[in-house]
Amino acid sequence: DIQMTQSPSSLSASVGGRLTLTCRASHDIGTSLVWYQQKPGRVPRLLIYAASTLHSGVPSRFSGSGSGTDFTLTISSLQPDDVATYYCQNYDSDPTFGQGTKVEIK
Amino acid sequence: EVQLVQSGAEVKKPGESLKISCKGSENSFRTYWIGWVRQMPGKGLEWMGIIYPIDSDTRYSPSFEGQVIISVDKSANTAYLQWSSLKASDTAIYYCARLPHYDLLTGSQPYYFDYWGQGTLVTVSP
Repeated sequence: DIQMTQSPSSLSASVGGRLTLTCRASHDIGTSLVWYQQKPGRVPRLLIYAASTLHSGVPSRFSGSGSGTDFTLTISSLQPDDVATYYCQNYDSDPTFGQGTKVEIK
Repeated sequence: EVQLVQSGAEVKKPGESLKISCKGSENSFRTYWIGWVRQMPGKGLEWMGIIYPIDSDTRYSPSFEGQVIISVDKSANTAYLQWSSLKASDTAIYYCARLPHYDLLTGSQPYYFDYWGQGTLVTVSP
């Protein structure tokens, strides 16, 4: 079974700050990785697919990178609306979610 | 606009059966894989399984195989998730969601969700 490990479990930054979230796969998944955002009490929303492609309507302050086993989600300028838990998920033959990273405003 | 509308919240007792639904707003619903995701209180997301409405091809995560049944009525553009005997540990929000179409560039079906329903809260309590 594949394992998806996100770090850190939580982090905070000031408004306008830059954040980098990490997701590690237990084996090579190429670029078969997505990121979701789930705001408190809300439905998850697709942000990024194929490791680095923004889904329709996602602000350009979000970006993704990586391939193989190591991936990052970067928020270039944190906004209050970005307070949420972010999940990665591989989407090859054994889809698995990471445990999530909670983002807060400092 | 893609819309997946789920049935309302349910409160059940242990041992009872339940079937919740997810209705697509478009006839193209039947050409997309539809999946279910569990989120237990205060916890993360768990992949349960997916179904293809055109031929009812169904694939379960090993953790949920034998625990739930995923089905579909393609004429009604509706997918279902059902339990025959609920347990307290089934208390959770259940989301349905749509997978994107087959990727011609990679020659594979991507197993992620691009649009989500609003979720159905299932509470199982004596």
